[in-house]
Amino acid sequence: QAQLVQSGPEVKQPGSSVKVSCRPSGDTFKNFAIYWVRQAPGRGLEWMGGFLPVVGPAENTHYFFARAFEDRLTITTDESTNTAYMELTGLTSDDTALYYCARGLQLWARDWGQGTLVTVSS
Amino acid sequence: EIMMTQSPAIVSVSPGDRVTLSCRASQSVHSNLAWYQHKPGQAPRVLIYNAVNRVPGIPGRFSATGSGTEFALTISTLQSEDFAVYSCQQYNHWPLTFGGGTKVEIK
Repeated sequence: QAQLVQSGPEVKQPGSSVKVSCRPSGDTFKNFAIYWVRQAPGRGLEWMGGFLPVVGPAENTHYFFARAFEDRLTITTDESTNTAYMELTGLTSDDTALYYCARGLQLWARDWGQGTLVTVSS
Repeated sequence: EIMMTQSPAIVSVSPGDRVTLSCRASQSVHSNLAWYQHKPGQAPRVLIYNAVNRVPGIPGRFSATGSGTEFALTISTLQSEDFAVYSCQQYNHWPLTFGGGTKVEIK
């Protein structure tokens, strides 16, 4: 049973962007690392990027991206709505995939969303 | 970027069998490795963290060994619900990376 709830499927034109949301059911993202992972048809899981909250006197967030996505992936959070977002720009047919958000208190992903299917087609 | 290589890509086994899946890292990731189970239409589920620690609630038939660059996941007595894809992930180096997965299918 997914403990993270993601937005619904998307169909996008090549060259456009997609924004997928993710929010926890029943608690918050506070103190969790958040990751975005995708699975293209017939392929394995691919880690895209994520962020680590740093809790302390000078709270900060560290973002990390896979090289393949660092120029076109944006990860944000909205504390007021307890929602994380992944925006991917410059879509091509190769970006057709099931996109997952995941979170963990450590660097492995304990909780996962149900996945959001993004289809890129003209 | 650390490359994670899993073998075999597909293994055909029968319920009740014992199966061992391999995962190799292109450089040492120490014990910073997790194993996930993934079934079609479902979210992935973490089985093992820190290379050998079973996540609470995961059945004891799942066990794992390894450190450095060589890792293994063993399912001692396959149950019908264990037929799935298994992926390893290293979290010692950024960016985090997954292996390509091993599909455990019914013979």
